[in-house]
Amino acid sequence: QSALTQPASVSGSPGQSITISCIGASTDVGSYKLVSWYQQHPGKAPKLMIYEDTKRPSGVSNRFSGSKSGNTASLTISGLQAEDEADYYCCSYAGTSTFVVFGGGTKLTVL
Amino acid sequence: QLQLQESGPGLVKPSETLSLTCTVSGGSISSSSFYWGWIRQPPGKGLEWIGSIYYIGSTYYNPSLKGRVTISLDTSKNHFSLEVNSVTAADTAVYYCARHPTYSTSSVDPWGQGTLVTVSS
Repeated sequence: QSALTQPASVSGSPGQSITISCIGASTDVGSYKLVSWYQQHPGKAPKLMIYEDTKRPSGVSNRFSGSKSGNTASLTISGLQAEDEADYYCCSYAGTSTFVVFGGGTKLTVL
Repeated sequence: QLQLQESGPGLVKPSETLSLTCTVSGGSISSSSFYWGWIRQPPGKGLEWIGSIYYIGSTYYNPSLKGRVTISLDTSKNHFSLEVNSVTAADTAVYYCARHPTYSTSSVDPWGQGTLVTVSS
């Protein structure tokens, strides 16, 4: 069982927006501005899409955005494109004992 | 541009020790700004952080794996290593090495391409 809870799957049509939630606890997501999101296509290494809750690395489309409220972080993808179909994982710093925790992953299907 | 490359046996027998090395190019593992970590992904499943090491040798391990895992580094060879002992089929996974900043610990980037390790007799 993963430390962070994500929905197993979400779907949307091209052009639509979707949001993936990531539920943590006051010891991880809720305590630090250190939630990140990763996109993983089949057979590929994960790619950093959002860091420090809301920031986008250089080169990542502004269609991807992150937010957080309390112990729940969210990834929103607007203007869905076929290439966005992938698995998405959230990740949080969880203090010096547990250090880093991942969510179980969400499979995004673009209909 | 920083690159990481995992290497090691692709097949390990049950009860034996899994050993992998991550060679870093385009940057130094002696940087005070970064941790160097290992993450794994069983076939068809999600990501699991295994542990990380800091350039002075400080280590941080996933509590669920602690006791079976050792991460070390060799600054002269600019690489760091992972050992998992007493492996079972549950340790079969793609193993990734990666870098993450001390000032933004959950921002894992870049990642190696990953290497599949199968535990089987």
